[in-house]
Amino acid sequence: SQQGEEDPQALSIQEGENATMNCSYKTSINNLQWYRQNSGRGLVHLILIRSNEREKHSGRLRVTLDTSKKSSSLLITASRAADTASYFCATDETSGSRLTFGEGTQLTVNP
Amino acid sequence: GAVVSQHPSWVICKSGTSVKIECRSLDFQATTMFWYRQFPKQSLMLMATSNEGSKATYEQGVEKDKFLINHASLTLSTLTVTSAHPEDSSFYICSARDRGRTNEQYFGPGTRLTVT
Repeated sequence: SQQGEEDPQALSIQEGENATMNCSYKTSINNLQWYRQNSGRGLVHLILIRSNEREKHSGRLRVTLDTSKKSSSLLITASRAADTASYFCATDETSGSRLTFGEGTQLTVNP
Repeated sequence: GAVVSQHPSWVICKSGTSVKIECRSLDFQATTMFWYRQFPKQSLMLMATSNEGSKATYEQGVEKDKFLINHASLTLSTLTVTSAHPEDSSFYICSARDRGRTNEQYFGPGTRLTVT
């Protein structure tokens, strides 16, 4: 079963704007990861944040993690049309060795 | 970087036939591989966890006799969809956990299965 919930389910913005996606989970985790998927394609790993980290940056991406609230956010700054894709969070749970994916956010960046 | 390949990338088969999908880790050893299924506009659902040299662990609701998983070596796992039905049409994605880097999991490009 999926433990992650993401909101919004769909997000449509204009190029240059920032996009924020949120993810909530239910169990204890080792780390949380964000992935991107273009329609009909495989997953692209974006960033991993460990349970003892609160914030991480990679280029135009900023990820936060609040383990007390069991939530994470992904911020994409200065969005581009090429950022249009589905974005998934995935939790690496302490109870097992597998990743559990959230429901995903479909981001559309309009040129 | 670590690369995982899947073959075929897409396949069309008739109802009642079986289809085998291969997942290979190309430049690392994977003691554990995972098989996911993704229906259109939905998230990835874990089907099973495959450990080299042992039987796969299936998630609740996944029929082990229908989805046969073999992890015969540290670089290859196969998923066979037996007696395929149209409702098995989906995107199947594998991932592999690097033996030497336990936090890292690498995903294959996926296999699109269409059962007619």
